[in-house]
Amino acid sequence: ETGVTQSPTHLIKTRGQQVTLRCSSQSGHNTVSWYQQALGQGPQFIFQYYREEENGRGNFPPRFSGLQFPNYSSELNVNALELDDSALYLCASSLGDGHGYTFGSGTRLTVV
Amino acid sequence: EDQVTQSPEALRLQEGESSSLNCSYTVSGLRGLFWYRQDPGKGPEFLFTLYSAGEEKEKERLKATLTKKESFLHITAPKPEDSATYLCAVRERDDKIIFGKGTRLHILP
Repeated sequence: ETGVTQSPTHLIKTRGQQVTLRCSSQSGHNTVSWYQQALGQGPQFIFQYYREEENGRGNFPPRFSGLQFPNYSSELNVNALELDDSALYLCASSLGDGHGYTFGSGTRLTVV
Repeated sequence: EDQVTQSPEALRLQEGESSSLNCSYTVSGLRGLFWYRQDPGKGPEFLFTLYSAGEEKEKERLKATLTKKESFLHITAPKPEDSATYLCAVRERDDKIIFGKGTRLHILP
């Protein structure tokens, strides 16, 4: 049973650029959610997808967008990067209601 | 405003010294409360899900309980390998998920 895989593991971008982060869900998981975690803080919920539809969103601006594909893998896109976007971005997948979430190891994004 | 508050922020215990971590929440329509363990540089590792007041779950030295306003993670006779940050999260009626800031637990040998 494979877990949640995120790529890349580390990334450095310049302010104003755009970035795409990728996530492969655990086999059979139809729900995926994305989080931003600043150093020393708990993860902040960005949004969640269930069967390719967004079904929950946190307090992030529209420049944070996402996709879920038919194989349940997912992307997080961030436009017009700001210095404060520097963080660990976590992806988590689940079988849905009644089940916990399995997290990936994250992508460390640094915006300079 | 919906909130999840964890206490204490940090806790140092001697090996074998039992204690409890607290997670208090104010959310609309709880659809589940989750406990995770996070080691430095890694993603959170799922421990438990609780759904209704009075529910309890156990795993090795950990036991999680839930009331209408808070959850406790009890650690019995901890070992140094239990050192980690423990995160609590709640899922609201609209599927938004809110994490607390975590409790950094350090078990001294």
